[in-house]
Amino acid sequence: NAGVTQTPKFRILKIGQSMTLQCTQDMNHNYMYWYRQDPGMGLKLIYYSVGAGITDKGEVPNGYNVSRSTTEDFPLRLELAAPSQTSVYFCASSYEGSSGNTIYFGEGSWLTVV
Amino acid sequence: GQNIDQPTEMTATEGAIVQINCTYQTSGFNGLFWYQQHAGEAPTFLSYNVLDGLEEKGRFSSFLSRSKGYSYLLLKELQMKDSASYLCAVMDSNYQLIWGAGTKLIIKP
Repeated sequence: NAGVTQTPKFRILKIGQSMTLQCTQDMNHNYMYWYRQDPGMGLKLIYYSVGAGITDKGEVPNGYNVSRSTTEDFPLRLELAAPSQTSVYFCASSYEGSSGNTIYFGEGSWLTVV
Repeated sequence: GQNIDQPTEMTATEGAIVQINCTYQTSGFNGLFWYQQHAGEAPTFLSYNVLDGLEEKGRFSSFLSRSKGYSYLLLKELQMKDSASYLCAVMDSNYQLIWGAGTKLIIKP
């Protein structure tokens, strides 16, 4: 089982560049999430989606965009990268957002903006 | 505001027992999760509590008191591989997960 797959694993960006973090899941989950995790901090929700065609902002959406054209894919776009976006990014999915449903995480993407 | 508190770091000895506490203040409550995260890896699910009481799963147990806004994760017979960060997360009334910063557990021989 592939589960949640995200790419790339590591990336260095220059200030002002743009890039897309790819995320795909093969568990037919409705809900998908993008989190960032800074050193010593908890996971912060960037964007989430409850199904294809529907996306919503999380706690820290500024500087990011997402789309959900299919159930499987949930790419995260960084426009005009800034040093503050240096972080580890995790894509995750769950069957539905209601209580008790486990969230499964991808392996993470380490992004450095210089 | 919403807040999850857990100790930053704890140290324990191989073979011993350790209890990691989590207190929370959130807008509503739809369950509490514990996740384990090894350095450089993704979080993995450990336990879920929505009713008061103790949930036991092998060497790991999780306790919840909703009236006190309190949970703990109990790890027994500690092994070196248990060295990791342990994340507490609460699902609020909007079914959004609020995450604590994690407790780094160091196991010594």
